[in-house]
Amino acid sequence: DAGVTQSPTHLIKTRGQQVTLRCSPKSGHDTVSWYQQALGQGPQFIFQYYEEEERQRGNFPDRFSGHQFPNYSSELNVNALLLGDSALYLCASSPSRLAGGPIQETQYFGPGTRLLVL
Amino acid sequence: EDQVTQSPEALRLQEGESSSLNCSYTVSGLRGLFWYRQDPGKGPEFLFTLYSAGEEKEKERLKATLTKKESFLHITAPKPEDSATYLCAVQPSYNTDKLIFGTGTRLQVFP
Repeated sequence: DAGVTQSPTHLIKTRGQQVTLRCSPKSGHDTVSWYQQALGQGPQFIFQYYEEEERQRGNFPDRFSGHQFPNYSSELNVNALLLGDSALYLCASSPSRLAGGPIQETQYFGPGTRLLVL
Repeated sequence: EDQVTQSPEALRLQEGESSSLNCSYTVSGLRGLFWYRQDPGKGPEFLFTLYSAGEEKEKERLKATLTKKESFLHITAPKPEDSATYLCAVQPSYNTDKLIFGTGTRLQVFP
């Protein structure tokens, strides 16, 4: 059973450039969340996608945008990169909430994409 | 404001020396509390979910407990391979789509 996969593993960009990160969720999961983890910090929630729509958004500017495809995979796009965007970007997947049943909350994380902005 | 505080920031243990990591939280209604293990440069690996005060979960040398204000991760007779950063996260009941993380406890176990 493949877990959450992310690509690329590492990326180097310069200020002002744009970047796209990709994520494939764990088999059977249809909800994808993105987090940013700065060095020495805990992950910070960026947004979550379900049914190809952004369901919730954390405290991140509009430079951060995303997309979810019909096969549940997802992309994170960051425009006009700043030095402060350097971080580990994590994708997490979870099953959708089951109507009338227990809420499936556990999020399973991928290995992350390390982004360095110079 | 919702907040998660973990202590200590770093912990050095001798192999076999048991200890506990603390996670205190302030949240407007708790839906769940999660523990993850993170190795350097890797993504967090899920360990436990706790839902209500008094609940306990165990896995090998790890045991997680939950009260109304904090959670503990007890490590019994740790081994060098337990060395990692342990992250605590809460899921607020008003927004179950996101996790709010602490900054983690960096654990080093020496042989």
